[in-house]
Amino acid sequence: EIVLTQSPGTLSLSPGERATLSCRASQSVSSSYLAWYQQKPGQAPRLLIYGASSRATGIPDRFSGSGSGTDFTLTISRLEPEDFAVYYCQQYGSSPPIFTFGPGTKVDIK
Amino acid sequence: QVQLQESGPGLVKPSETQSLTCTVSGYSISSGSYWGWIRQPPGKGLEWIGSIYHSGSTYYNPSLKSRVTISVDTSKNQFSLKLNSVTAADTAVYYCVRSGGSGSPFDSWGQGTLVTVSS
Repeated sequence: EIVLTQSPGTLSLSPGERATLSCRASQSVSSSYLAWYQQKPGQAPRLLIYGASSRATGIPDRFSGSGSGTDFTLTISRLEPEDFAVYYCQQYGSSPPIFTFGPGTKVDIK
Repeated sequence: QVQLQESGPGLVKPSETQSLTCTVSGYSISSGSYWGWIRQPPGKGLEWIGSIYHSGSTYYNPSLKSRVTISVDTSKNQFSLKLNSVTAADTAVYYCVRSGGSGSPFDSWGQGTLVTVSS
């Protein structure tokens, strides 16, 4: 079973700053099967990035994903007020389709 | 656009079976995709419960497998979750989700429904 670790647990930043979130896997993950989600209070999570670096439909280009193997990164180039939320990475398998989430990183306003 | 809506009791007694249904609109379950359930205890992270293919093939989180059944009713365009022998640890917001296919993330989510386990 692949375990995902996210760091930091909380990231305190100001609007306009750059956010760098890390997701580390206990064993190598195919880049094709690493996703990032954003969750705001009281809302369902929203898919941001899939395949480690592809933006989902409607996601602004200030969000970008990168990485391979066991280390993946979500970068928000310039934080907008609506970006303060919790971010989860997820590994998804294809055969069988098994899914694992990281514990999340909270991005809050400094 | 795919829309998902969870329904079911918001309060379940310990040791009983919790049942939830997800109604899908804007897309026919019979057309394909994987349909699943995710839960989130209050103030905590996300946990995948299991998924079902439109054909009926199921895949479960090993930690919950002994207590979970997911089924699909293509005639009603719905899929369902049953979780038996519930305890307070099963109190959570339950989301129904869609993944576009094998090797795909969850691209559509229901709004979530809170299920509380309490006597």
